Amino acid sequence: KAGVTQTPRYLIKTRGQQVTLSCSPISGHRSVSWYQQTPGQGLQFLFEYFSETQRNKGNFPGRFSGRQFSNSRSEMNVSTLELGDSALYLCASSLGSTLNTEAFFGQGTRLTVV
Amino acid sequence: GESVGLHLPTLSVQEGDNSIINCAYSNSASDYFIWYKQESGKGPQFIIDIRSNMDKRQGQRVTVLLNKTVKHLSLQIAATQPGDSAVYFCAEGYNTDKLIFGTGTRLQVFP
Repeated sequence: KAGVTQTPRYLIKTRGQQVTLSCSPISGHRSVSWYQQTPGQGLQFLFEYFSETQRNKGNFPGRFSGRQFSNSRSEMNVSTLELGDSALYLCASSLGSTLNTEAFFGQGTRLTVV
Repeated sequence: GESVGLHLPTLSVQEGDNSIINCAYSNSASDYFIWYKQESGKGPQFIIDIRSNMDKRQGQRVTVLLNKTVKHLSLQIAATQPGDSAVYFCAEGYNTDKLIFGTGTRLQVFP
């Protein structure tokens, strides 16, 4: 079955703009988590959605937001982009009602802010 | 930000040898642990997981050991191959709480 699909793969934006990233989880998976990965900070948790509800949130400013649709697809949005938002944004999906289930990652969206 | 594990070190091993990658986790209440492998340009790939009611779990060529007394997790890779070269992350979780990832260990396999 198809894996986690993230679009676009690469994105270049300028400071002050906003961006929307998309994640399609594995069919049947109801939980979608988003992470930011940078060389300096590693994998940092952004938020997690389960059945269209945000269930967990990391320590990121309000410029970072997300949502999940009824088909479990998820989007995350970053407004008023800053240079420091340049990173690989990863989405992971899992089956269960808890995070204690195997999570599968997509290939990520590489965002560059100039 | 929150993190678990060691600052990114590099482990170099010869092809065919066994590799041991270590991780220290932060939350004594964590009850679920995962190891991921990330190759260049790709997202993390699930390798193996373990729950806190176990101290050892084996997969294909991989073994995860959990020592709750000292909050330590390790990943053992048997007969390391060039294709095992990647960055390896450990992650801890508790109930429905978010997973916390370590900064990773780079594994380099040389012939």
